[in-house]
Amino acid sequence: EAGVTQFPSHSVIEKGQTVTLRCDPISGHDNLYWYRRVMGKEIKFLLHFVKESKQDESGMPNNRFLAERTGGTYSTLKVQPAELEDSGVYFCASSQPRAGPPDTQYFGPGTRLTVL
Amino acid sequence: AQSVTQLGSHVSVSEGALVLLRCNYSSSVPPYLFWYVQYPNQGLQLLLKYTSAATLVKGINGFEAEFKKSETSFHLTKPSAHMSDAAEYFCAVTGGSQGNLIFGKGTKLSVKP
Repeated sequence: EAGVTQFPSHSVIEKGQTVTLRCDPISGHDNLYWYRRVMGKEIKFLLHFVKESKQDESGMPNNRFLAERTGGTYSTLKVQPAELEDSGVYFCASSQPRAGPPDTQYFGPGTRLTVL
Repeated sequence: AQSVTQLGSHVSVSEGALVLLRCNYSSSVPPYLFWYVQYPNQGLQLLLKYTSAATLVKGINGFEAEFKKSETSFHLTKPSAHMSDAAEYFCAVTGGSQGNLIFGKGTKLSVKP
C-alpha cells in the first residue's frame, strides 16, 4: 500500500510569489491534516479535512494560505503571496476516522519551502 | 488546552547504552500520546502510541514508553542504543479521536560508537 506522498519535495521561491503544495493521502483515509515546522520550532497544526470539508482550520496563520481538497482525495495548500516567514517544512498526514482512540496519523515526507 | 514538553533538544548516548527521552504533557482531557521518529530526509514514522489501554506501551525497534498519569509523563526508553537509532524524536498529544496532534519541540538523538 502506498503511503502519504507530497509534491514537491523542495521548493525555492522569491518573496511575493505563489507556491502550491500537494498531498496525496493513503487511499481510503478520510482524515487529512496539514502541519508545518518552522526551523527551530515545533511541528504545528495548520488544518484538518474530513473528506472534502474543512473540520478545523484554526492553525492557518493568515489568509495568504488556502487549502483545498476537492473530491475528498488529494489536497493542495497554496501560499499567495509568500513571505519570508513562510519558510519551513510542510507535512501532510492522513488517517481513518473512528470513534474512541484515534487512528494513527501517517505522515508524508514533507515539502521543504524556502522563501528568499 | 494541551501541550507537550520534551526535555533536552539534543541527547547523546554511546552505542549499547540506555536511551531515555523525556516527555511531559499537559491536558485537560484524558490524553492520547504518541512518539514519532524522523530519520534524516524522511517523514515522521510512528514508534508507539498510548490510547488508554496498557500504561506500558511497546513500539517498534525495541522502544517502549510508560504512561504515568501522576507525573504527567510519557518517557521513551530503549535498553540498548544502536547506531541506527540516531534520529529526531517527537512526542505528541491529542485529546480527541480525530483531533490534531500537538507536538513537542523534538529531541535529536546521537549515538556514539
